[in-house]
Amino acid sequence: LAKTTQPISMDSYEGQEVNITCSHNNIATNDYITWYQQFPSQGPRFIIQGYKTKVTNEVASLFIPADRKSSTLSLPRVSLSDTAVYYCLVGAQRSNDYKLSFGAGTTVTVRA
Amino acid sequence: EPEVTQTPSHQVTQMGQEVILRCVPISNHLYFYWYRQILGQKVEFLVSFYNNEISEKSEIFDDQFSVERPDGSNFTLKIRSTKLEDSAMYFCASSGAGTSRSYEQYFGPGTRLTVT
Repeated sequence: LAKTTQPISMDSYEGQEVNITCSHNNIATNDYITWYQQFPSQGPRFIIQGYKTKVTNEVASLFIPADRKSSTLSLPRVSLSDTAVYYCLVGAQRSNDYKLSFGAGTTVTVRA
Repeated sequence: EPEVTQTPSHQVTQMGQEVILRCVPISNHLYFYWYRQILGQKVEFLVSFYNNEISEKSEIFDDQFSVERPDGSNFTLKIRSTKLEDSAMYFCASSGAGTSRSYEQYFGPGTRLTVT
């Protein structure tokens, strides 16, 4: 698995956009970038996955530059309920089971 | 929306006792996992299970641990002779077959195991 580096914590206020950048300099050609979210005392939840350029869903956007050595998860107009730990995972796409290797993640705290 | 369920939500046991943590994965999923998270630490992979056998396990998953799918719906994690350091939140997860997003695993709410 490619090693990832992301900030330990970020603070924001309600209504702001939060951008979390993850560095993965050793990303391989077959690797995808996946983000999970974990609320306190809950299991992680899949947010978004991408390979290149931009991916958007109802929760977030994922921006991946051409060199793919980093990626940015963008949370638009956050609310207090977006306070959580966000994990960046990088690994090869597979059609069968795969163990997820979580790092420390980025703790996002949204304040009123 | 289908979800993974786990029971009990909290289990307190004495050191040396055996515990069984139960999970009901999403019904049409084929791949099942157990993870654990010690308080304040990262989520750690324990084991993956497919076609009624273990497909991968971590160094944590030693002879003290075992998994089973006793029927068509339940997936269990047994911890024999529990130790204080087994105290953690244990998460069950499942994923489907043939998905274009192989990293999309669905996690249950967890069982908090406290060993005293």
